[in-house]
Amino acid sequence: QKEVEQDPGPLSVPEGAIVSLNCTYSNSAFQYFMWYRQYSRKGPELLMYTYSSGNKEDGRFTAQVDKSSKYISLFIRDSQPSDSATYLCAILISSGSARQLTFGSGTQLTVLP
Amino acid sequence: ETGVTQTPRHLVMGMTNKKSLKCEQHLGHNAMYWYKQSAKKPLELMFVYNFKEQTENNSVPSRFSPECPNSSHLFLHLHTLQPEDSALYLCASSQASEFSTDTQYFGPGTRLTVL
Repeated sequence: QKEVEQDPGPLSVPEGAIVSLNCTYSNSAFQYFMWYRQYSRKGPELLMYTYSSGNKEDGRFTAQVDKSSKYISLFIRDSQPSDSATYLCAILISSGSARQLTFGSGTQLTVLP
Repeated sequence: ETGVTQTPRHLVMGMTNKKSLKCEQHLGHNAMYWYKQSAKKPLELMFVYNFKEQTENNSVPSRFSPECPNSSHLFLHLHTLQPEDSALYLCASSQASEFSTDTQYFGPGTRLTVL
């Protein structure tokens, strides 16, 4: 079983739709939960991070963590064509001085105008 | 220049060639990373350097050889690669401490093709 599972898509939605991107993880020791966005021919850029269960909002983006189910989500409201990218979930495990960031395989999103 | 830069952006090499990838970070971070990104697969961590010391080597074949001369520069030396090594190689940096989330900032990557 992979440590972080993410549906690779591709996902295609019309402009203005609400997008839901999801990951599941297996290790309860994971402490920080991050979402990265990667445009074509670019490196990943950090969108949001959170460490607790519940929701965190930033503009049109909401990150949701459910530690009891080991499930994390990213919601995009009023999606725009400029949101078309691959979205990567990433989870950080921290144990003493050892830290490991584990990525999902990414979900490719296309928002159609 | 700001952020994390990588050169070259594209590289095509034969299996007998020797080449090097370069990464430079302008963020004052103390940790640098090499990742391999292949289609439909998660980012694979290859090497980690903390304060110029290699702290992680995730069973990477010896045909990949990292070098970190200072906390701002990171190299990946390549020799006798295989076609399956073709991928996007990403460099990242972070300010690693027990109080931080180790948010990693990525460069644009080098698209490597091995013929």
